[in-house]
Amino acid sequence: KQEVTQIPAALSVPEGENLVLNCSFTDSAIYNLQWFRQDPGKGLTSLLLIQSSQREQTSGRLNASLDKSSGRSTLYIAASQPGDSATYLCATMNTGFQKLVFGTGTRLLVSP
Amino acid sequence: DTAVSQTPKYLVTQMGNDKSIKCEQNLGHDTMYWYKQDSKKFLKIMFSYNNKELIINETVPNRFSPKSPDKAHLNLHINSLELGDSAVYFCASSLMLNTDTQYFGPGTRLTVL
Repeated sequence: KQEVTQIPAALSVPEGENLVLNCSFTDSAIYNLQWFRQDPGKGLTSLLLIQSSQREQTSGRLNASLDKSSGRSTLYIAASQPGDSATYLCATMNTGFQKLVFGTGTRLLVSP
Repeated sequence: DTAVSQTPKYLVTQMGNDKSIKCEQNLGHDTMYWYKQDSKKFLKIMFSYNNKELIINETVPNRFSPKSPDKAHLNLHINSLELGDSAVYFCASSLMLNTDTQYFGPGTRLTVL
């Protein structure tokens, strides 16, 4: 059974800092790993999807890496802005299970 | 031009009632999902449908019955509502099963009194 954990649970940084969010998973037999952001009272917005054959994906100030063998992914946010404040969730799609398994989330606060 | 929409956004009801939540996607996707986010913000899949066919039923009580009249709609009907059903329910869709980005609706906050 896949278990996905995110550390830290909460993070507070001043504007402009670069930061890393961590995601670990117990079962490396995955199709892909996705990073989402959730704003309070809103749905999830997909940020990046990394296929199992890929090592990283980039979108603007965001860079996500994937190390399947160690069961880890990181989301790097460069030059953070107050608008980046949200909860960030990672999720794995496992082979044979056909469903996303979500992590516990990291609540990010970027202060001006 | 909302991609995935849900109605209603808020639903407050008494224990024992029956209620429905509707979901529609205009992305032309084949696969739709229902997720439940509990009070601790943990998100877990309930159902997935691919081309109107049930793929996953994640040990959800049979009081919950999804219905997919066509590929663009996946509605969730809940019978005999219980206090523990209070949560935010999210609908999502993806182009295909397994490999694609999932697009989420705004959520329906259900409160059972």
